[in-house]
Amino acid sequence: DIQMTQSPSSLSASVGDRVTITCRASQSISNYLNWFQQKPGKAPKLLIYAASSLQSGVPSRFSGSGSGTDLTLTISSLQPEDFATYYCQQSYSPPLTFGGGTKVEIK
Amino acid sequence: QVQLVQSGAEVKKPGASVKVSCKASGYTFTSYYMHWVRQAPGQGLEWMGIINPSGGGTTYAQKFQGRVTMTRDTSTRTVYMELSSLRSEDTAVYYCARGRGDGYKYVFDIWGLGTMVTVSS
Repeated sequence: DIQMTQSPSSLSASVGDRVTITCRASQSISNYLNWFQQKPGKAPKLLIYAASSLQSGVPSRFSGSGSGTDLTLTISSLQPEDFATYYCQQSYSPPLTFGGGTKVEIK
Repeated sequence: QVQLVQSGAEVKKPGASVKVSCKASGYTFTSYYMHWVRQAPGQGLEWMGIINPSGGGTTYAQKFQGRVTMTRDTSTRTVYMELSSLRSEDTAVYYCARGRGDGYKYVFDIWGLGTMVTVSS
């Protein structure tokens, strides 16, 4: 199974900050990496797929980059509605696996 | 609009089975794969498996092999996930999630609201 490791596991940031979350795969997954946002009590929401493609309706302040084993999610200017937990997920091969999550909190 | 409506919360005893449903609307049911993902309280996301609503073919995560069965009913546009031999560690929210089209069947683009399954004696 492909292990996905996210870092950091949590971070504190202010509105307007630039935030970067990293996902490391235990083997190369090319660009088969997706990012989700989850708020408490809600289902996850797809933000980015195929490492850098923005899902329809997602604000352009979200972007993804990278390939191989190290991929990143960047929020260019953090907004109040962005405080949530973020997960990466590899879609390279089953079993599909997720990172452990990064909780973004208000500083 | 595209949506997935799941069945209500369940409370089961250890050793029992649970069957969760997910009714799709707003798109061509047989054109998109469906996944099941679960989340234990306060924990991360765990993929359980995938079903092809067109032919009914399935792939399960090895962890659940022998305990999980995914089926579909094309007449009602509903997929089902049945988990047997329940234990306390199966207490979780169970989500159905659609596989995105255009060759991205392993990308979850639409999610149901989730079904809470509690296993307790």
